[in-house]
Amino acid sequence: DQQVKQNSPSLSVQEGRISILNCDYTNSMFDYFLWYKKYPAEGPTFLISISSIKDKNEDGRFTVFLNKSAKHLSLHIVPSQPGDSAVYFCAARKIMDTGRRALTFGSGTRLQVQP
Amino acid sequence: DTAVSQTPKYLVTQMGNDKSIKCEQNLGHDTMYWYKQDSKKFLKIMFSYNNKELIINETVPNRFSPKSPDKAHLNLHINSLELGDSAVYFCASSQDRLAGGTYEQYFGPGTRLTVT
Repeated sequence: DQQVKQNSPSLSVQEGRISILNCDYTNSMFDYFLWYKKYPAEGPTFLISISSIKDKNEDGRFTVFLNKSAKHLSLHIVPSQPGDSAVYFCAARKIMDTGRRALTFGSGTRLQVQP
Repeated sequence: DTAVSQTPKYLVTQMGNDKSIKCEQNLGHDTMYWYKQDSKKFLKIMFSYNNKELIINETVPNRFSPKSPDKAHLNLHINSLELGDSAVYFCASSQDRLAGGTYEQYFGPGTRLTVT
């Protein structure tokens, strides 16, 4: 039962264009969402996040949108650059019974930005 | 300086062996994690330690045992290795906050375990 889903395993865009990566979730208890970027042979690195009380967060070329009613979030990268080519993981956080927080990750979307 | 480091980076071993993966973080974080990235590329949490105390223990075979000698280290011991244990294992750390706030997890480079 995958509570965080990234239905597109790969995406290819031209340099300079917009990249849109999508993520859907099923658990309404998630209160925070994060995007991680992963290069081959490296660990995931944090990119951008958004609280469930917001619908948009922007950081430079990266913007994350959250649609709570649809349980959907998206990451927009504009303009896309060849260095953005990586696997992008969506993650959702929930607070457990212990008060601790745990992340649930999607399966990732491989973005390829063509020069 | 590497924030979260893991050793070894690659580990090839035979079925039935016992092996360990080490993880160290120099970020001063109080919480550390082990994740397994399976063949379908999902990152699934296995364990989490906060201040040397086990706080998350997902459904993982008891052949896997985490050991946290101090806040900066969380090692993963695996006994009687099986073919299905082949995966990439990631260590991560974060500064947990019980009341509000936000946090990010910082990941190590991963250890690719191959069981033959």
